Amino acid sequence: GAGVSQSPSNKVTEKGKDVELRCDPISGHTALYWYRQSLGQGLEFLIYFQGNSAPDKSGLPSDRFSAERTGGSVSTLTIQRTQQEDSAVYLCASSLSTGTTYEQYFGPGTRLTVT
Amino acid sequence: GESVGLHLPTLSVQEGDNSIINCAYSNSASDYFIWYKQESGKGPQFIIDIRSNMDKRQGQRVTVLLNKTVKHLSLQIAATQPGDSAVYFCAERGPGTYKYIFGTGTRLKVLA
Repeated sequence: GAGVSQSPSNKVTEKGKDVELRCDPISGHTALYWYRQSLGQGLEFLIYFQGNSAPDKSGLPSDRFSAERTGGSVSTLTIQRTQQEDSAVYLCASSLSTGTTYEQYFGPGTRLTVT
Repeated sequence: GESVGLHLPTLSVQEGDNSIINCAYSNSASDYFIWYKQESGKGPQFIIDIRSNMDKRQGQRVTVLLNKTVKHLSLQIAATQPGDSAVYFCAERGPGTYKYIFGTGTRLKVLA
């Protein structure tokens, strides 16, 4: 079956522009996570969705970052007025549920470069 | 494309030898732990997990050890193969939470 997919795979944008990153989770997975991975760093938690709601947005670095999920499926991470420090790989993961031992399945990531 | 850092701790092992990758976790109350493998240009891939009520769990060629006293996890890979070359991350999850905290990762290089 299909895994988690993300688009675009690579995005180069100019400083100050807005970008949208898309995640298609595995069908039936109710939990969805966004992480950021910068060079020399581990994975940084950004936000988590259970269904369409996001109980915790505290991982978002600033108010320039927002995310939504519709229909309990596709999620979009939006970064407004991009800055060079936003350059990183943005990873999405989905799982069957939370609060259990169900593993997260990761997508290949979107590599964002802000010039 | 490159998806892992350039300045990670690196472990180099000869093909066929056993590898031990270590991780110190942060929260003594964490009750669930996962090891992930990440190859260049790909997302992390689940390897093995362990709950806090266990101190050892074995999979195929891999063993995870948990020492809650010193908040330490290790991943042992038996008979390391070239395909094991990757960055390995540990992740912890606190009780009753959904948030996973990842370690910074260790790069494993398998020498032929």
